[in-house]
Amino acid sequence: GAGVSQSPSNKVTEKGKDVELRCDPISGHTALYWYRQRLGQGLEFLIYFQGNSAPDKSGLPSDRFSAERTGESVSTLTIQRTQQEDSAVYLCASSYGLGSDEQYFGPGTRLTVT
Amino acid sequence: ILNVEQSPQSLHVQEGDSTNFTCSFPSSNFYALHWYRWETAKSPEALFVMTLNGDEKKKGRISATLNTKEGYSYLYIKGSQPEDSATYLCAFIRLDSWGKLQFGAGTQVVVTP
Repeated sequence: GAGVSQSPSNKVTEKGKDVELRCDPISGHTALYWYRQRLGQGLEFLIYFQGNSAPDKSGLPSDRFSAERTGESVSTLTIQRTQQEDSAVYLCASSYGLGSDEQYFGPGTRLTVT
Repeated sequence: ILNVEQSPQSLHVQEGDSTNFTCSFPSSNFYALHWYRWETAKSPEALFVMTLNGDEKKKGRISATLNTKEGYSYLYIKGSQPEDSATYLCAFIRLDSWGKLQFGAGTQVVVTP
C-alpha cells in the first residue's frame, strides 16, 4: 500500500518568504508527526496531531511555524518569514496511535533558505 | 540522564563481525523506547518499539534489549553485512507525552566488506 508522501521533495526559497510543506499520511493512521533535521543535528520533534485532540505544538521553535491537519488526512506545515536557520530536512510520520505504535516516515522535504 | 544519548557516535565494522551500541535515556516517567534505522537517501524505518523492562526483541540478525530501571537499551547486530550500514536512532517517549519522540543523535554504522 501507499506510504507517507511529502511534497515538495525540495524547496529553495528566499529569506523572508513563506513556505508550505505538505504531508499525506498512511490511510487509517490517526496520529501524524512533524520533525526536522538541521545540518549536523539530530531529529527534532516539532508537532503531533492525534485524532480530534488538540495538537501538541510544544516543539515548534517560534510563532513563525504553524501546522494544520484536515481530519485524519493531509497536514500542512507553514513557515512564515523564513530565516536561514530554518534550512533543514522536514520529515513527516504517521502511526495508528501514539506511544507504542511504530511511526512510518515520509521521504522528507529539503528546505533551503537563501 | 535528562536527554537521550547514544554511543558511540560511529562504528566501523568488518563484514561478518558482530557489534552493539547503546542508547541511554531518563529512567523516570518511561513509556516506550523506539529504535529506527535510517539509511542514506531513505526514510527512517522502524526496527523495534519496546515498552517493558527486560524486553528483548529480534528481527533477523538485529536484536535489542531494554532496561528501564537504569535507563538504557542495547542494539545488537550479529554477523554484520554491508546492507546494515545506516544510522541507528533510538527515541524515548515519556509517560506524560505519548506522542513526542525524543531522539538521540544516532550511531552511524559502516560495514566494510
